[in-house]
Amino acid sequence: EAGVTQSPTHLIKTRGQQATLRCSPISGHTSVYWYQQALGLGLQFLLWYDEGEERNRGNFPPRFSGRQFPNYSSELNVNALELEDSALYLCASSPGGTGGSSPLHFGNGTRLTVT
Amino acid sequence: AQSVTQLDSQVPVFEEAPVELRCNYSSSVSVYLFWYVQYPNQGLQLLLKYLSGSTLVESINGFEAEFNKSQTSFHLRKPSVHISDTAEYFCAVSRQGSNYKLTFGKGTLLTVNP
Repeated sequence: EAGVTQSPTHLIKTRGQQATLRCSPISGHTSVYWYQQALGLGLQFLLWYDEGEERNRGNFPPRFSGRQFPNYSSELNVNALELEDSALYLCASSPGGTGGSSPLHFGNGTRLTVT
Repeated sequence: AQSVTQLDSQVPVFEEAPVELRCNYSSSVSVYLFWYVQYPNQGLQLLLKYLSGSTLVESINGFEAEFNKSQTSFHLRKPSVHISDTAEYFCAVSRQGSNYKLTFGKGTLLTVNP
C-alpha cells in the first residue's frame, strides 16, 4: 500500500509570507495529524483532523491552521511566517474510531525554512 | 494530560553491546505506549507498541520493551546493537478512549560505533 505522502519536500519562505503544506493519508485512513519537529524541541502536536473536522489542537497560535478535504487529504497553512517556524513538519494518518490504539503512520515530512 | 520523559538525549554505544533507552510517562488515565524510530531525513516508523496483555513486547528487529505500570516506565532494550540501529528513538503515549492525541518524548539519539 502507498504510504503517507507529503509535499513539497522542501519549502523556503521569507518572514511574513504564508506557507501551505500538503498531506495524503494512507488509503482508508480517515484521521490526519500534523506535528512540528523543531531542532531540540522534539515533536510538538499541532492539529488532528478526522472525517473533515478538527478534533484537537496543540498549543500553537491561530496563524497555524489547516483543513481536511472530503478525500481525507489535508493541508496545513502557516500565516505570517516567523523565523522560529523553521522546522520539519510531519503528517501522519491512522484509521479513525480506534480510541488511540492504532499507531500513526508518518510521511517523510516537509522541511520549512524561513529566512 | 499525559507527558513523556526520555531520560537520555544521546546514547553512544559500541557495536554488539547491549543498550537500554529509558522512557517514563505520566497520565491520570490508562494509556497505550509506543516506540518509534526515525532514521536520518525520514519520517517516524513504528518500532513496537503496548496496548494490553503481556507487558513485554518485541519488534521484528530484536528490540523489546517492558511496560511497568508501578514505575510508569516503558524502557526499550536490545541485547546486541548493530551500526544500522543508529537513529533517533521516540517514546510516545496516548490516552485510551476518545480525544486521541499521541504525545511524544523529546527523543534519544542512539549512535552505534564500530
